[in-house]
Amino acid sequence: LAKTTQPISMDSYEGQEVNITCSHNNIATNDYITWYQQFPSQGPRFIIQGYKTKVTNEVASLFIPADRKSSTLSLPRVSLSDTAVYYCLVGDGGGATNKLIFGTGTLLAVQP
Amino acid sequence: DSGVTQTPKHLITATGQRVTLRCSPRSGDLSVYWYQQSLDQGLQFLIQYYNGEERAKGNILERFSAQQFPDLHSELNLSSLELGDSALYFCASSVGVAGGMNTEAFFGQGTRLTVV
Repeated sequence: LAKTTQPISMDSYEGQEVNITCSHNNIATNDYITWYQQFPSQGPRFIIQGYKTKVTNEVASLFIPADRKSSTLSLPRVSLSDTAVYYCLVGDGGGATNKLIFGTGTLLAVQP
Repeated sequence: DSGVTQTPKHLITATGQRVTLRCSPRSGDLSVYWYQQSLDQGLQFLIQYYNGEERAKGNILERFSAQQFPDLHSELNLSSLELGDSALYFCASSVGVAGGMNTEAFFGQGTRLTVV
């Protein structure tokens, strides 16, 4: 399973756009990139998934360059309630051994 | 509400005891994952089942075991409990094996285990 590297923490202010970058240099051809959000004492929640270029949904955008060795989660106009840990995962969901490994994640702290 | 149900929500037990945590996946989901999250270890993958069969193992201790039943619910058994086993235990489910296209994992609210 491809290893991912993210910043340990980031600070932002309400109303700003936040971009969290994840490095995954060893991503395989069949791997997808998935981001999860976790609030304290709650289970992680799926945010967005992509394979290449740009994906946008109602809560975030995911930018993936052509070489797919990194990805950037973009949160528009964050609020205090976006304070959470954000995890980047890569995997293909194929075969019998996808362990859905979570790394250390990025703790985003949004201030007023 | 993710649709994944974990019981109990809280559990306090003494060292040396054995407990069973239960997980009911979302309707139609065949995969179940178990995770342990403690303050100093992050979210640790324990084990995955798919349609009743064990498919992947993480750093699960020999004192821990799990199974997935024919109705697809799963149980995580923790025995000879130690103080260090105190943690939040999460269960997740997905239709297939999560991580691939359109196969997100849905997490329950967790069981908080406190060993005293």
